[in-house]
Amino acid sequence: NAGVTQTPKFRVLKTGQSMTLLCAQDMNHEYMYWYRQDPGMGLRLIHYSVGEGTTAKGEVPDGYNVSRLKKQNFLLGLESAAPSQTSVYFCASSYREVWNQPQHFGDGTRLSIL
Amino acid sequence: KNEVEQSPQNLTAQEGEFITINCSYSVGISALHWLQQHPGGGIVSLFMLSSGKKKHGRLIATINIQEKHSSLHITASHPRDSAVYICAVTDDFSGGSNYKLTFGKGTLLTVNP
Repeated sequence: NAGVTQTPKFRVLKTGQSMTLLCAQDMNHEYMYWYRQDPGMGLRLIHYSVGEGTTAKGEVPDGYNVSRLKKQNFLLGLESAAPSQTSVYFCASSYREVWNQPQHFGDGTRLSIL
Repeated sequence: KNEVEQSPQNLTAQEGEFITINCSYSVGISALHWLQQHPGGGIVSLFMLSSGKKKHGRLIATINIQEKHSSLHITASHPRDSAVYICAVTDDFSGGSNYKLTFGKGTLLTVNP
């Protein structure tokens, strides 16, 4: 079992470029999440999904879009990258609501916007 | 929104020492999570608890619901325990969404040999 796999692991973009981060899980989890981690701050939820075909906004959704076309994949898109989006992005998944099950995290994607 | 505070922010210990990391929160919760993040690495869930105490190897997590406080203890610390330890909570689900965690800023632990 690979668990939660994020691709790419590192990326450098120029302001205004677009890109998609891919998260794949092989645990048949219903719930998936995208977080960003910035120095001096706790992880913050960007978007989440409670099942195939569903998405919802988290705490900091502006500038990002997501899609969950297949249960195992959760994509995070940046349409026009900005320096403020320089961060480490983590994907996570869980079988049920977080109060009942732990979240499983990927290894993160380090994204720099110049 | 729940406010999650961890203390200390940084902690340096000598190998073998007993370590305590604290977490307090402001609003009633349905669960509290302790997570571990090694430098440059991914995040691993250590514990999820809603009452009492849990133990896994040299790690012990306790929670006091009335005081809105949890502690993570590491007995006989080792350099491989060096990592950031993160506390996260899920608000009491009777009030709404169950899906979201509110995270503390983390405690950076360094254990020297």
